Amino acid sequence: EIVLTQSPLSLPVSPGEPASISCRSSQSLLRVDGYNYLNWYLQKPGQSPQLLIFLGSNRAFGVPDRFSGSGSGTDFTLRISRVEAEDVGVYHCMQALQTPPYTFGQGTKLEIK
Amino acid sequence: EVQLVESGGIEVQPGGSLRLSCAASGFGFDDFAMHWVRQAPGKGLEWVSLINWIGDRTYYADSVQGRFTISRENSKNSLYLQMNSLRPEDSAWYYCARGSDHSGGQYFDYWGQGTLVTVSS
Repeated sequence: EIVLTQSPLSLPVSPGEPASISCRSSQSLLRVDGYNYLNWYLQKPGQSPQLLIFLGSNRAFGVPDRFSGSGSGTDFTLRISRVEAEDVGVYHCMQALQTPPYTFGQGTKLEIK
Repeated sequence: EVQLVESGGIEVQPGGSLRLSCAASGFGFDDFAMHWVRQAPGKGLEWVSLINWIGDRTYYADSVQGRFTISRENSKNSLYLQMNSLRPEDSAWYYCARGSDHSGGQYFDYWGQGTLVTVSS
């Protein structure tokens, strides 16, 4: 089973400032098709998760361009160029390379300072 | 608009059974695999089960293997999770989620709002 480790687990950020979250995998998530099978989700308070980034670096429909995903192999980063109040919540990474099971990171809670 | 609406979550005693449902709308339900994902209060996400588009392939997390059964009824655009021999550690919000393709998917692109299962004596 692939283990994903996120850091930090808590991230206080001032509005307008950048933020980044790391997700490290116990095994490479790069598949022979050239895609990294790593996705990012945001779970806003009291809501279900919503897809932000799929296959490493592709923004889901409707996701603002201040969100970006990067990385390859075992190290991935979610970046927010300028944090807004609506970005608060828990960010989860998820791997879909060796499935089942699909596995998630522990989650990173972003809060506004 | 894609919608997934879960129902069936209640409080049940340890050892009891429960069936969750997920009603889908706004897309071709029989074109996609479907998943159940759960989240204990204050905890992270845990994948529970997968069923492919036609329902002839199913997969389970080790933690629920042999106790839970996933199924679907494409004619009713519905997904189910039969939960037997429930344990306190099964207490969680249960979400249904759409896989990105017919077999399982590289990501889950739509999620329901969740239904809460509490296992307690």
